[in-house]
Amino acid sequence: GENVEQHPSTLSVQEGDSAVIKCTYSDSASNYFPWYKQELGKRPQLIIDIRSNVGEKKDQRIAVTLNKTAKHFSLHITETQPEDSAVYFCAADGFGNEKLTFGTGTRLTIIP
Amino acid sequence: ETGVTQSPTHLIKTRGQQVTLRCSSQSGHNTVSWYQQALGQGPQFIFQYYREEENGRGNFPPRFSGLQFPNYSSELNVNALELDDSALYLCASSNRDRADTQYFGPGTRLTVL
Repeated sequence: GENVEQHPSTLSVQEGDSAVIKCTYSDSASNYFPWYKQELGKRPQLIIDIRSNVGEKKDQRIAVTLNKTAKHFSLHITETQPEDSAVYFCAADGFGNEKLTFGTGTRLTIIP
Repeated sequence: ETGVTQSPTHLIKTRGQQVTLRCSSQSGHNTVSWYQQALGQGPQFIFQYYREEENGRGNFPPRFSGLQFPNYSSELNVNALELDDSALYLCASSNRDRADTQYFGPGTRLTVL
């Protein structure tokens, strides 16, 4: 089955700087890669997703890049703000049809 | 916030008991996926229901079972509860026919004593 590895597990960034979180996946058949933000005690919220027919997608301060050959994808957050502090999860649909395998999460802390 | 709701919010059970968790999918969605999220970990896929049929299952034993109803709401049933079943149970709804994104409900926090 699919295996998703996520790094780093914790990340502290000065407010206004950029943050990058990286994930690798094992199943070359995966073709959908969402990123979720989860605040303490809340549901995971989709922040951006990418499908395998594109290499990059951007939404304001958030961007995702995908390298299918190397089987890795990354989340980039620019101009970080205190409200960006949360746990971020990457996922891949290794089972197909959006049955997602999640990474282990990255706790992002923005330092004011 | 999404239109996905779950009940109950919290639940405390003892080992060996059975539990039923409920999920109402977002309007226009026909697919419900269930996930188990242990403390400090990412969600793990349990199974998916599409148009009232199970459509894929993760690495969970048969004592985890489910249903999907004609209105596309869903139930997760867990028999013979074990201490390790303590977790946040999340459902996510989507429309598989449109390859839509999944949206999560708020979750049910299950504690097994």
